[in-house]
Amino acid sequence: DTAVSQTPKYLVTQMGNDKSIKCEQNLGHDTMYWYKQDSKKFLKIMFSYNNKELIINETVPNRFSPKSPDKAHLNLHINSLELGDSAVYFCASSHSDPRENPHNEQFFGPGTRLTVL
Amino acid sequence: GQNIDQPTEMTATEGAIVQINCTYQTSGFNGLFWYQQHAGEAPTFLSYNVLDGLEEKGRFSSFLSRSKGYSYLLLKELQMKDSASYLCAVREWGNQGGKLIFGQGTELSVKP
Repeated sequence: DTAVSQTPKYLVTQMGNDKSIKCEQNLGHDTMYWYKQDSKKFLKIMFSYNNKELIINETVPNRFSPKSPDKAHLNLHINSLELGDSAVYFCASSHSDPRENPHNEQFFGPGTRLTVL
Repeated sequence: GQNIDQPTEMTATEGAIVQINCTYQTSGFNGLFWYQQHAGEAPTFLSYNVLDGLEEKGRFSSFLSRSKGYSYLLLKELQMKDSASYLCAVREWGNQGGKLIFGQGTELSVKP
């Protein structure tokens, strides 16, 4: 299936732990994103990479570090997890750089529900 | 700064028409998107407007007025499966990588 996939789908962990979420897209897209959706359903951009170059880096704690080994993958590593990190994290991709092609829609992965206890 | 407002919830009847409004204030507007998100699922793209006017796509239409900072999503012949959250998102121009700013979403319930 052509899609954006994320693993794991659910992640339950203790405060203070370090965890990673993986994302892969096989759509041949150049740009990938990480979003956080909180309990109030606000979807907020965290990071974006275009061809492995970081192009959006929102004000998120530096405990969050994205890594893009190639343009089909964008992983999110979170250090020293806190209760407030509990949310659904969505990965997304779009065909090309939104600065050049603003009409490009984003394709979202199924989300990773992170619960920090 | 950016501000996007949508009603939190709406209820409508199967077969009816519903209009979901979105107002926005942003520096450097570069297009407006509507996404649909069913509970527990990923958002999926519905429409994109960058010029004023109405874009029609089957049962769904989206309207934009840039001078008023206003958009609406119109859903016709409502079906039960249209019960979902509808997210308005504005594309910013400029040095922030063309990021999308999302509203909090409108939870639409379609009743028989």
